[in-house]
Amino acid sequence: DVKVTQSSRYLVKRTGEKVFLECVQDMDHENMFWYRQDPGLGLRLIYFSYDVKMKEKGDIPEGYSVSREKKERFSLILESASTNQTSMYLCASRRTGPPGANVLTFGAGSRLTVL
Amino acid sequence: RKEVEQDPGPFNVPEGATVAFNCTYSNSASQSFFWYRQDCRKEPKLLMSVYSSGNEDGRFTAQLNRASQYISLLIRDSKLSDSATYLCVVRSNAGKSTFGDGTTLTVKP
Repeated sequence: DVKVTQSSRYLVKRTGEKVFLECVQDMDHENMFWYRQDPGLGLRLIYFSYDVKMKEKGDIPEGYSVSREKKERFSLILESASTNQTSMYLCASRRTGPPGANVLTFGAGSRLTVL
Repeated sequence: RKEVEQDPGPFNVPEGATVAFNCTYSNSASQSFFWYRQDCRKEPKLLMSVYSSGNEDGRFTAQLNRASQYISLLIRDSKLSDSATYLCVVRSNAGKSTFGDGTTLTVKP
């Protein structure tokens, strides 16, 4: 089974703090994604990466940055956390070729609260 | 208009009922289509891919109508364990996967 591991399940941070959310996948998937999920707004794409050192903005990149120095690791960075970034953050990975091409596999999520 | 729109729900049905969810998408160049299931406080997991010819997996049937840009999911003989939120997902030719807001199903005894 593909495993996507997010380093923290629950975090509480203060406004203005720098926050790192780490995601690691163990099946050599090329693509990785960061989403946030909020009630009534569904899953929204923040950033994605097709491969190592590559990154693309998603639908809501403002206030976030990402890093993909190694294929298995995709980090989401909040340079200066704000209360409107309180959310559930979901990392996902995807293989580009068979088997299982195009299917997203998610981590368990990181619930961030910014006070 | 959202790129992917689903029935808002919630759907509350008795065990054994048949229930259908609908989803429309706006990007005619979309390439791949999926239904994911998300249990409360859990991550989304793939339920089934949706193929042009329609496909079935046990009690679940998915249909795709490219001309109308419409996807459906039919669940027959609902079980209590089917209670979850069902997410419609559309992948564009640029590789981006867009999620609908989800439809919540509660199956009652």
